[in-house]
Order: sequence, then C-alpha cells, then structure tokens
Amino acid sequence: NAGVTQTPKFQVLKTGQSMTLQCAQDMNHEYMSWYRQDPGMGLRLIHYSVGAGITDQGEVPNGYNVSRSTTEDFPLRLLSAAPSQTSVYFCASRPSSLNTGELFFGEGSRLTVL
Amino acid sequence: AQSVTQLDSQVPVFEEAPVELRCNYSSSVSVYLFWYVQYPNQGLQLLLKYLSGSTLVKGINGFEAEFNKSQTSFHLRKPSVHISDTAEYFCAVRNPYSGAGSYQLTFGKGTKLSVIP
Repeated sequence: NAGVTQTPKFQVLKTGQSMTLQCAQDMNHEYMSWYRQDPGMGLRLIHYSVGAGITDQGEVPNGYNVSRSTTEDFPLRLLSAAPSQTSVYFCASRPSSLNTGELFFGEGSRLTVL
Repeated sequence: AQSVTQLDSQVPVFEEAPVELRCNYSSSVSVYLFWYVQYPNQGLQLLLKYLSGSTLVKGINGFEAEFNKSQTSFHLRKPSVHISDTAEYFCAVRNPYSGAGSYQLTFGKGTKLSVIP
C-alpha cells in the first residue's frame, strides 16, 4: 500500500518563484490536509479539504493555494515563494467516518526558499 | 478554543531508564487526546489516544499515557526506553463535539526524546 505520497521530497526555490507540492493518497479518504512543521512551532494547519471540490483555510493559509478536483489528490501551491515559507510540509488524510483522531501522514516535503 | 502545551522541548534519557513526556491542554469542553511520534525524516504516526473510559491508555511500543481531567494533563510514559525510541513526540487535542467529517487536530510544539546509550 502506498498510503500518502508526497512529491518532491526536497526542493530549493528562489524568492518569488512558484511551485506546487503534490499529495496523493490511494485509501479513498475524504479528508485531506496540509501542515507545515517549523522548529519549536510544532505542526500548523495550512489548508484542508473534506471532499472533492471543498477546501477551507487552516491556521496559517496566507501565501498558499489549494484545490481538490479528485478524491486522491490535494496539491499545495506557492504562487510567489518567500523565505518565511522555508519549512517541512506534511500532507495528511483520513476517512471522514473515522472519529478517532488518527491522521495518515506522508513522509514530508522539505522546502528551502532562498 | 483549545490549546496544547508540551512543557519540555527536549528530553535526554539513558537507555533502559524510565521517561515521562508532559502534555497539558486547555479547553472549555471535553476533549479527545492523542500522542503522535515522528521518527527522523518520517511523517507522524499515532502512538495512542484517549477518547473516553479508562484514564490509563496503552499504545504501541510499550508507551502509555494517563488522562487527568483535574490537572488537564495527558502525560506520556515508558518504564524503560530503547535507542529506537529516539524521536519527536507530539501531543494533540480534538474537540469531540465537532463533526466527524471536518474536525481538526491541534498539535503541541513537540518534545524531542534522545535516548543515550
């Protein structure tokens, strides 16, 4: 089972460049989300989606866009990268019916913005 | 709104010694509580959870946690740690009254456990 797959694993950008972090899951999970992890800050929710065509903002949405055209994919877009977006990004998913708090995480994408 | 405080950012401990990682939460309503573990260069995985019932919860890899409502705490313990327990541990909280489809988890800032040989 592939689970939650994130690509790329590593990326270096220059300030102002754009890019998309890809997230795909093969578990038919309705709920998907993006977190960023920074030293001493824990995980902070960027955006989430409860199903295809439905997205909503989390705690730190500024500078990021998302869309959800299929159940499987939930890409995160940086339109104009800034050094403050240097971070490790995690995609996580779960079934909507799962009431127990378990999120299934990808292995992360490490982004550096110069 | 709910919040989670992990009191120690780093905890070094010798192999085979006991360890306790502390977590306190703040919420005006009942909560569900979780501990997640992140091994180096990996994503997070669920270690254990408290939803209701017995306040002592057992998880994977010999870890356990105790829910204490009066002290609003959910400390993680292991009686004897192994080198392979070196990881970062995150406490998380969820409002159980939010819908199953849309609830969010609020994470603490993490505690790095380093097991010394």
